[in-house]
Amino acid sequence: QVQLQQSGPGLVKPSQTLSLTCVISGDSVSRNTAAWNWMRQSPSGGLEWLGRTSYRSKWYNAYAESVKSRITISPDTSKNQFSLQLRSVTPEDTAVYFCARDMAGGAIDYWGQGTLVTVSS
Amino acid sequence: DIQMTQSPSTLSASVGDRVTITCRASQSISNWLAWYQQKPGKAPKLLISKASSLESGVPSRFSGSGSGTEFTLTISSLQPDDFATYYCQQYDSYPWTFGQGTKVEIK
Repeated sequence: QVQLQQSGPGLVKPSQTLSLTCVISGDSVSRNTAAWNWMRQSPSGGLEWLGRTSYRSKWYNAYAESVKSRITISPDTSKNQFSLQLRSVTPEDTAVYFCARDMAGGAIDYWGQGTLVTVSS
Repeated sequence: DIQMTQSPSTLSASVGDRVTITCRASQSISNWLAWYQQKPGKAPKLLISKASSLESGVPSRFSGSGSGTEFTLTISSLQPDDFATYYCQQYDSYPWTFGQGTKVEIK
């Protein structure tokens, strides 16, 4: 059974960097048929895909244009986890952040528990 | 970006009712569409992938259909556990995008 366990601070100051980690159990971040995603859900309920990382003989990343200049998603094979860094945050980045797995190209079959991140001074 | 539009936004129904939710894409996405169910404070749960493929463990009262730009999620006989918010998601092209959600409420 795949489990994704998220960790990271729930409060970040404006202009700082939001950092979250997702530890994978029951699967491998290097599995060449899976991809590892970050998404967020705004206080109004809208879901937004932020990006993903996947291994297909080498590492590939894809990011949403809306955050592309500020985001990095990084795998850590030694710890079987992946992380999200979102730089220069503003209050508009306040949301519940989810890590998640997709297989075969995009339907998200496993999700982390979600982390509410508030951007406020 | 591909826009996903769900209707209705809210649906009031009774146990036993047949319920249909529609999702329209702003351009053709073939059958690269998923449906999710979300309950308050929880992560979304995948119900259907590739427009009509029911995920393992999901009750057979859920079904999906459609291709191209128009898709539907049908619950054949609404059960108490089905009162939740439902989202569609396209994964034809980046960025993946979601519908705004349909909240299924008790009538």
